[in-house]
Amino acid sequence: EAGVTQFPSHSVIEKGQTVTLRCDPISGHDNLYWYRRVMGKEIKFLLHFVKESKQDESGMPNNRFLAERTGGTYSTLKVQPAELEDSGVYFCASSHFLTGVHTEAFFGQGTRLTVV
Amino acid sequence: SQKIEQNSEALNIQEGKTATLTCNYTNYSPAYLQWYRQDPGRGPVFLLLIRENEKEKRKERLKVTFDTTLKQSLFHITASQPADSATYLCALEDYGQNFVFGPGTRLSVLP
Repeated sequence: EAGVTQFPSHSVIEKGQTVTLRCDPISGHDNLYWYRRVMGKEIKFLLHFVKESKQDESGMPNNRFLAERTGGTYSTLKVQPAELEDSGVYFCASSHFLTGVHTEAFFGQGTRLTVV
Repeated sequence: SQKIEQNSEALNIQEGKTATLTCNYTNYSPAYLQWYRQDPGRGPVFLLLIRENEKEKRKERLKVTFDTTLKQSLFHITASQPADSATYLCALEDYGQNFVFGPGTRLSVLP
């Protein structure tokens, strides 16, 4: 079974440009999460999809970040325009959605974004 | 304010000894807590989940405890091996099915 895949694995862009990150969750996983680790800091929650609906986007830093999950399959995270402080590793994770049951999350390898 | 702390940024132990990692939290009331392992350049990998009504959980050489009174979880690796060297993250449920990560502890098991 394929795991969570993210691409690109690395991206270097200039300040002011736009970047789109993609995440393909494990097939059948309704929960999809985006997390970010900025240099030297802990992994921080960005948002959570259940199927195509945004369950919680309280962690999104500002309106330069836009996440979508059309059709409830893969998700994209767009940063427009990118700023220097957006540099970091962006992780995607997916898990089964079972009401009242907590299940493990499977993480992708991350996308390392560098804004110069 | 809400906070998750893990005992130390780095922990060095000798091969064969038991490694004990600590996760303390304040102003959270998690229904469950998870431990993950992360290797350089990789995403976190799930290890164990423990619920608030469970005191202890084991999986092979791993053991996790969860004390909701102390607001603490302990993660033990017995008979540690150099291959256990990695960063270990605790993550606790915030609400719903979201979770919040601690800063991690980098464990080095020396041969």
